[in-house]
Amino acid sequence: GNSVTQMEGPVTLSEEAFLTINCTYTATGYPSLFWYVQYPGEGLQLLLKATKADDKGSNKGFEATYRKETTSFHLEKGSVQVSDSAVYFCALSASNTGFQKLVFGTGTRLLVSP
Amino acid sequence: DAGVIQSPRHEVTEMGQEVTLRCKPISGHNSLFWYRQTMMRGLELLIYFNNNVPIDDSGMPEDRFSAKMPNASFSTLKIQPSEPRDSAVYFCASSRTGGEGTEAFFGQGTRLTVV
Repeated sequence: GNSVTQMEGPVTLSEEAFLTINCTYTATGYPSLFWYVQYPGEGLQLLLKATKADDKGSNKGFEATYRKETTSFHLEKGSVQVSDSAVYFCALSASNTGFQKLVFGTGTRLLVSP
Repeated sequence: DAGVIQSPRHEVTEMGQEVTLRCKPISGHNSLFWYRQTMMRGLELLIYFNNNVPIDDSGMPEDRFSAKMPNASFSTLKIQPSEPRDSAVYFCASSRTGGEGTEAFFGQGTRLTVV
């Protein structure tokens, strides 16, 4: 079946450090890939997405590239801020029944200190 | 747009009691999802609806859980009887059924504590 694997957290960084959160997936067909972010006490919100191989999604300084050959969608940011502290979820969307169904990874907590 | 609205935000109940969680999806969205989030198991999809019809309920943990969507603007998730292991944050999400890359919008969740 479809699945997403993320690196274990927490990831602890100092402000302005470079961030990478690894994500790999297993899917039949050609899924769409997403990164969602969850701030404390809130629901998940879409951070960025990519719908086909070699697409790059970007938002708020975060980027991720859809790599079909390595089945990966790693999240990167060149310089993190304290306000980026949150839990990040990698997800895929695949249609097995004609309907899009989101499958999430376990989430990676990011802690950024001043 | 008010976004996906869930109620209550917090619920504390005693074991054995019935619990009903409510969700109002974004107007115009025709897919609705219920997720459960725990530290141990992460984010699990319980059930999803399309055009008010349950499409996949394979994630519903057991018969104590049931979900309904009587119309396009309302859904409930019911647990009867509730047990302490049901304690979790329950999220509702909605989306507009479309092609690839369709985004799901999440509510703020209901934190359920069963004592």
